[in-house]
Amino acid sequence: DAKTTQPPSMDCAEGRAANLPCNHSTISGNEYVYWYRQIHSQGPQYIIHGLKNNETNEMASLIITEDRKSSTLILPHATLRDTAVYYCIVRGDTGRRALTFGSGTRLQVQP
Amino acid sequence: DSGVTQTPKHLITATGQRVTLRCSPRSGDLSVYWYQQSLDQGLQFLIQYYNGEERAKGNILERFSAQQFPDLHSELNLSSLELGDSALYFCASSVEISSPPPHNEQFFGPGTRLTVL
Repeated sequence: DAKTTQPPSMDCAEGRAANLPCNHSTISGNEYVYWYRQIHSQGPQYIIHGLKNNETNEMASLIITEDRKSSTLILPHATLRDTAVYYCIVRGDTGRRALTFGSGTRLQVQP
Repeated sequence: DSGVTQTPKHLITATGQRVTLRCSPRSGDLSVYWYQQSLDQGLQFLIQYYNGEERAKGNILERFSAQQFPDLHSELNLSSLELGDSALYFCASSVEISSPPPHNEQFFGPGTRLTVL
């Protein structure tokens, strides 16, 4: 699986969009980008995943650059409950293997 | 609520002891994963079971073992405990859909916090 690089921490004002970047410059053609988050010592929670097209669900949007070397997770209207560590994970398998977590980005949503 | 349950929530024990952590996956999920999260190591994969059989091992110590039972619940056994084993232990399950897209979301339980004194 390709390695990912994320900023260690970010702040965002409540109600504003939170844009969390992830670099995965060694990603290969069949690898997907996944995002999970962990709210203060709770179990990690799946957010979204994508291959090359932008994706949106009820939680967030995922923007993947055309060369697929980086992506951005967007929380459109951040709330205090979105304060968490966000993990960007690249996976090339059929989803039958364990997740490899890096250090993630600690997002602090400020009131 | 992810549908994955773990017991106990907290466990305090002494060095040298043995403990068992229990995980019940979501209904219908055949795959169970165990992860360890300590302050200095982050979230690390320990072991995976699929339908009762061990599928993959990660950074699991020889003092640790696991199994998955016919009803698909899983237990993680930690023995000869050391101070450094203090951590959060998470269980996750997934259904493993074989049809494309190859997406098998993992659902995590609330974790067991183990403190070794």
